[in-house]
Amino acid sequence: GAVVSQHPSRVICKSGTSVKIECRSLDFQATTMFWYRQFPKQSLMLMATSNEGSKATYEQGVEKDKFLINHASLTLSTLTVTSAHPEDSSFYICSFGLAGGNEQFFGPGTRLTVL
Amino acid sequence: GENVEQHPSTLSVQEGDSAVIKCTYSDSASNYFPWYKQELGKRPQLIIDIRSNVGEKKDQRIAVTLNKTAKHFSLHITETQPEDSAVYFCAASIPGGYQKVTFGTGTKLQVIP
Repeated sequence: GAVVSQHPSRVICKSGTSVKIECRSLDFQATTMFWYRQFPKQSLMLMATSNEGSKATYEQGVEKDKFLINHASLTLSTLTVTSAHPEDSSFYICSFGLAGGNEQFFGPGTRLTVL
Repeated sequence: GENVEQHPSTLSVQEGDSAVIKCTYSDSASNYFPWYKQELGKRPQLIIDIRSNVGEKKDQRIAVTLNKTAKHFSLHITETQPEDSAVYFCAASIPGGYQKVTFGTGTKLQVIP
C-alpha cells in the first residue's frame, strides 16, 4: 500500500508558540489531502480538505487562521498550529487520497502536547 | 453534511466468539464505506471496505454488509482473537472531487482470552 510519513511523531511546546507538522507521501502523488484531529477516546474529526494547488476548505468550527494548511506539492502537506494553547493538545493525523479513488492513506500521526 | 452513528461504543467478547458493530449514515449519496482498526497511539488501518453497488463483502474472518435502503452497514468479526482488541471505526464517503470521509464514533472491542 501507499506510504505516508508524518513528522514529528511527538511534540511538546509551550503555550503561545507555533508548531509545524509535515506530512509526506513517499511513493505516490496525491491530489487530495485531509487533516484530522483526534482527542483521547474520541473519533477522528476532519479539520480541512484541500486539493493540490488550491486553498484548503476548513470544516465548521475550525479556525483557518489558527490552523494553517499548505498543500505545497503532490507529495507534501504541512499543518501549522499557530499560538498553540493547551486545548490544542491532540493527535493530528494527515491522509492523502488519489484522484478517482476512495481509499485514504493515513500518516502515523503527531501527538501534540501544549503546556 | 453526512452523519455517521456507530454502536456499541464498547464491546467485550470471549475469544472465539463473534463481534458485530453497526453503523448508520444519513446521506443517501454516500457510496463508499470503509472500516478502520486503530490501536492506541497509531494510525487507522483499513481492514475492509464496501461500495454501494455491493451488499456484502468478506475477507477471511471479517465481513461487512450494507443495506442501502436502510442506510445501515455492519462489521462482523468471527472467531475473534486477542489481537483483534482495538478501536474500530466505520466511515462513509460521498463521491466527488474531495472524497471526504466522515467517521463514526468508534467501538472499543475487547477480546477476552
